[in-house]
Amino acid sequence: GNSVTQMEGPVTLSEEAFLTINCTYTATGYPSLFWYVQYPGEGLQLLLKATKADDKGSNKGFEATYRKETTSFHLEKGSVQVSDSAVYFCALSDPYTGGFKTIFGAGTRLFVKA
Amino acid sequence: GAGVSQSPSNKVTEKGKDVELRCDPISGHTALYWYRQRLGQGLEFLIYFQGNSAPDKSGLPSDRFSAERTGESVSTLTIQRTQQEDSAVYLCASSIEGNYEQYFGPGTRLTVT
Repeated sequence: GNSVTQMEGPVTLSEEAFLTINCTYTATGYPSLFWYVQYPGEGLQLLLKATKADDKGSNKGFEATYRKETTSFHLEKGSVQVSDSAVYFCALSDPYTGGFKTIFGAGTRLFVKA
Repeated sequence: GAGVSQSPSNKVTEKGKDVELRCDPISGHTALYWYRQRLGQGLEFLIYFQGNSAPDKSGLPSDRFSAERTGESVSTLTIQRTQQEDSAVYLCASSIEGNYEQYFGPGTRLTVT
């Protein structure tokens, strides 16, 4: 079945550091890939998405590229801020094999220090 | 416009009692999802509604869990004879049919004592 694996946290960085959160997936079809973010005390919200191979999703300085050859969708940001401290979830949805079910990774908590 | 709302925000109940959790999706969103998030873990899919029907109930953990949706709007998740392992945050999300971007509510934190 479909699955998502993301790096364990917590990840602790200093402000302005480069961020990478790894995400790899297993899917039998051609899934859409997502990053969701959960800020402290708030609900999950979509950060970015990519719907086909080689697509790059981007938002708020974050980027992720859909790599079919490595089945990966790593999240990157060139310079993190304290306000980026949150839990980040990688997810996939494959309507051809998984219906409308979205599979989420376990989440990676990011702490950014001033 | 208004986002997804859930009630109650917190619920403490005794083991063996029944609980009802409510979700009000974004107006016009025909798809509605329920997830469970245990402490420190990822989201566990429970059930998906398209309109008022539930084509995918595969995530419901036991027959103590049920959900319904009426009027292509409000949904309720019912847990009967609650157990301590049911303690978690229950999240609801909605999306426009055919669009897989989900909009999440703030969740209901359920504690079973």
